[in-house]
Amino acid sequence: AQSVTQLGSHVSVSEGALVLLRCNYSSSVPPYLFWYVQYPNQGLQLLLKYTSAATLVKGINGFEAEFKKSETSFHLTKPSAHMSDAAEYFCAVSRGSSGTYKYIFGTGTRLKVLA
Amino acid sequence: GAGVSQSPSNKVTEKGKDVELRCDPISGHTALYWYRQSLGQGLEFLIYFQGNSAPDKSGLPSDRFSAERTGGSVSTLTIQRTQQEDSAVYLCASSFTSGGDQFFGPGTRLTVL
Repeated sequence: AQSVTQLGSHVSVSEGALVLLRCNYSSSVPPYLFWYVQYPNQGLQLLLKYTSAATLVKGINGFEAEFKKSETSFHLTKPSAHMSDAAEYFCAVSRGSSGTYKYIFGTGTRLKVLA
Repeated sequence: GAGVSQSPSNKVTEKGKDVELRCDPISGHTALYWYRQSLGQGLEFLIYFQGNSAPDKSGLPSDRFSAERTGGSVSTLTIQRTQQEDSAVYLCASSFTSGGDQFFGPGTRLTVL
């Protein structure tokens, strides 16, 4: 079975500070990993994904994530937070190249950016 | 359309009533997914459609929930005899192929009184 754990349901950072949102996964097969962002009253938007190529993945809006197999982690980072980054972020895992369609989502982390 | 659309955006119903939620996927996308997002919880997979294949209904929480996809396009999620615990945001997503990037709609917020 696969699972995702997002540490910290709420994270606050100052504008201009580093953003670090944590995601750890559990998977018995090589996983595919995703980060989605959800703005208020909107659907989820794909930020970035890891599909067994480069371990450092760059996404939209200056975000990136690094796949670390030894730590079973896929943390999301951004060097400098903007006010517009305030949203809820979801990490998800799927079964990689076998049975890829079912995503297992974490419980989300709400990011607050302080002026 | 340009993206996945869902209707209605909000639905308030009384306990025991049936509701229908609609999803219009991106044109040309063969795969369609329904998820449920409850307060304080992540997204819970409900059901998956791929082309003409039998749907994967493994995530439906009870037999009060059903879904269909007509003509390989529009999908309807039906909840019969709604309960208060059904209150959630129901999200639909589609992808070009099975395993492709999933694009999400804005969701339907269901409130059962």
